[in-house]
Amino acid sequence: EPEVTQTPSHQVTQMGQEVILRCVPISNHLYFYWYRQILGQKVEFLVSFYNNEISEKSEIFDDQFSVERPDGSNFTLKIRSTKLEDSAMYFCASRAQARTSSYEQYFGPGTRLTVT
Amino acid sequence: SQKIEQNSEALNIQEGKTATLTCNYTNYSPAYLQWYRQDPGRGPVFLLLIRENEKEKRKERLKVTFDTTLKQSLFHITASQPADSATYLCALGSSGYSTLTFGKGTMLLVSP
Repeated sequence: EPEVTQTPSHQVTQMGQEVILRCVPISNHLYFYWYRQILGQKVEFLVSFYNNEISEKSEIFDDQFSVERPDGSNFTLKIRSTKLEDSAMYFCASRAQARTSSYEQYFGPGTRLTVT
Repeated sequence: SQKIEQNSEALNIQEGKTATLTCNYTNYSPAYLQWYRQDPGRGPVFLLLIRENEKEKRKERLKVTFDTTLKQSLFHITASQPADSATYLCALGSSGYSTLTFGKGTMLLVSP
């Protein structure tokens, strides 16, 4: 069964450093998302991406964040200058095209980001 | 602001019983509501979706109801098993890009 994959599974970085989190969505999906979950808290939406551009973003997704789909398979989240409060689990998700009216999202296993 | 509330305390039930989890929301008119399962340290796994014009949906041992007047969804697991032990997340979405807004989740513990 196709699944969303994410790398690395765990990333440790120092405050102020740049990190890139990588995701490979399900191959025929067209909508891509990043969410984060701080330990013990709820899953929070960061950004959605469709047709090679950001379609929606939350207040969390400030100028320190960017997303990119550099090729036909990868979807990346970059944090330019990490802060301690960026420590969280980051989930990538993808969804099939709208024509199927299929709104369910499929999540990857997550990348645990630890900022020290 | 939008608010989604799920049972904050863990739900403990005995194997074989029916588990019922609640999701209430305010200041939101969702086009659909989804339930996900999350195991510790893992990503959410999609279980069921119910649309605003649907009252009930079933899938194997799972049943979801959706009352847009009460702004509430109930999630039932019948004949529960220890393997059903996990945190269950309620998520609301609108049509379009279908950004999801999640509740904090309810932990379900099924004892043998």
